[in-house]
Amino acid sequence: QVQLVESGGGVVQPGGSLRLSCAASGFTFSTHGMYWVRQAPGKGLEWVAIITKEGGIDYYAQSVQGRFIISRDNSRNTLYLEMNSLRVEDAALYYCVRDAGTTTGTKYYMDVWGEGTTVTVSS
Amino acid sequence: QSALTQPASVSGSPGQSITISCTGTSSDVGGYDWVSWYQQDPGKVPKLIIYDVINRPSGVSNRFSGSKSGNTASLTISGLQAEDEADYYCSSYTRRSTLLFGGGTKVTVL
Repeated sequence: QVQLVESGGGVVQPGGSLRLSCAASGFTFSTHGMYWVRQAPGKGLEWVAIITKEGGIDYYAQSVQGRFIISRDNSRNTLYLEMNSLRVEDAALYYCVRDAGTTTGTKYYMDVWGEGTTVTVSS
Repeated sequence: QSALTQPASVSGSPGQSITISCTGTSSDVGGYDWVSWYQQDPGKVPKLIIYDVINRPSGVSNRFSGSKSGNTASLTISGLQAEDEADYYCSSYTRRSTLLFGGGTKVTVL
């Protein structure tokens, strides 16, 4: 079945770095744009980043621009999020999410979500 | 960029209809038909219920419907049921090629 499984979350000090991974299975990973979306405890959803299916184009929320990098390895069916200069406000459950578009292009809506991986930023 | 504006809470009795608004600007909601809605039960993963303003994925109840007027999109739940209690989020593409979520609306069935 279609599945996204995140890993790499953990506890990190402010200013530290962390790399999240998302293993995709059950679909042709290379034909879908992908997102990272986060949700702080008790708070709403926040869009973090998008990467196109080829990996050539990426965009970021202003809150993470310049600190986070989204990337993908289509040969490994894996999505990544490199997080640097982490702040207390970056603490959240990070979801790996699939864009519904395929060869017709990005559709800008999210049809498959992983269960998330938790990032805690604390000294 | 600020989140899209949604009411914090909406409530209704079983069988009633409720509408959740999602207000943005001409640079996001008003400028594109890439508006989607997600339902999130407590402790669960969000679920897509409306895409491209008005479309329902297969398997989603036809009691959910979407619309848009100007810079405001809306989600209507008809024939409200106890199982509809959840948090609802709108999302829109923006002029900067990014996406925005609304702050979320908690729906309570009285």
